[in-house]
Amino acid sequence: GAVVSQHPSRVICKSGTSVKIECRSLDFQATTMFWYRQFPKQSLMLMATSNEGSKATYEQGVEKDKFLINHASLTLSTLTVTSAHPEDSSFYICSARATGDTGELFFGEGSRLTVL
Amino acid sequence: GQNIDQPTEMTATEGAIVQINCTYQTSGFNGLFWYQQHAGEAPTFLSYNVLDGLEEKGRFSSFLSRSKGYSYLLLKELQMKDSASYLCAVMDSNYQLIWGAGTKLIIKP
Repeated sequence: GAVVSQHPSRVICKSGTSVKIECRSLDFQATTMFWYRQFPKQSLMLMATSNEGSKATYEQGVEKDKFLINHASLTLSTLTVTSAHPEDSSFYICSARATGDTGELFFGEGSRLTVL
Repeated sequence: GQNIDQPTEMTATEGAIVQINCTYQTSGFNGLFWYQQHAGEAPTFLSYNVLDGLEEKGRFSSFLSRSKGYSYLLLKELQMKDSASYLCAVMDSNYQLIWGAGTKLIIKP
């Protein structure tokens, strides 16, 4: 199947700094990518839908200025957590939908962010 | 290596019961998730198991045996809207999600 790669898989940062997480589709082009957040023992929570060449669509309650999403190419979307605080510590996972495909989503491995 | 196995596709009849199995081999275990995904949509959470046994939630139940590296999702009183892909995912010792390829469930009237 198609491969979606996330980087970094784990990151620890100090409060107040910004962290960028990359999501790449390695062997297909992805018009749409999704960013999720997951707290321990809870479901994935969709944060935003990232569309190549246009602004991301954020879910209700997700701060646009806090979580910056850029989808500048058909194979790369980035999530930047700005001015991170300990409450931003979480597991972030992306998924990608292939161009022209109306169905299957491919997921990245996830990135665990710890803010000290 | 880490591996999650589940059947590629299953077919069942409306009103019946179906069991979707998932076996896993991972470096550590911090829980097993089942997700439902309809075509063109993001997955939705169905269940989470971290201890052995059966978790029942309405028409859906999920079972886990950590010693066997095995889980199943049981769907009762099947409805046409249950036609979807069902994803099994295991969180390993590094809290990374290892995903199965998904089981496409086809419900026939």
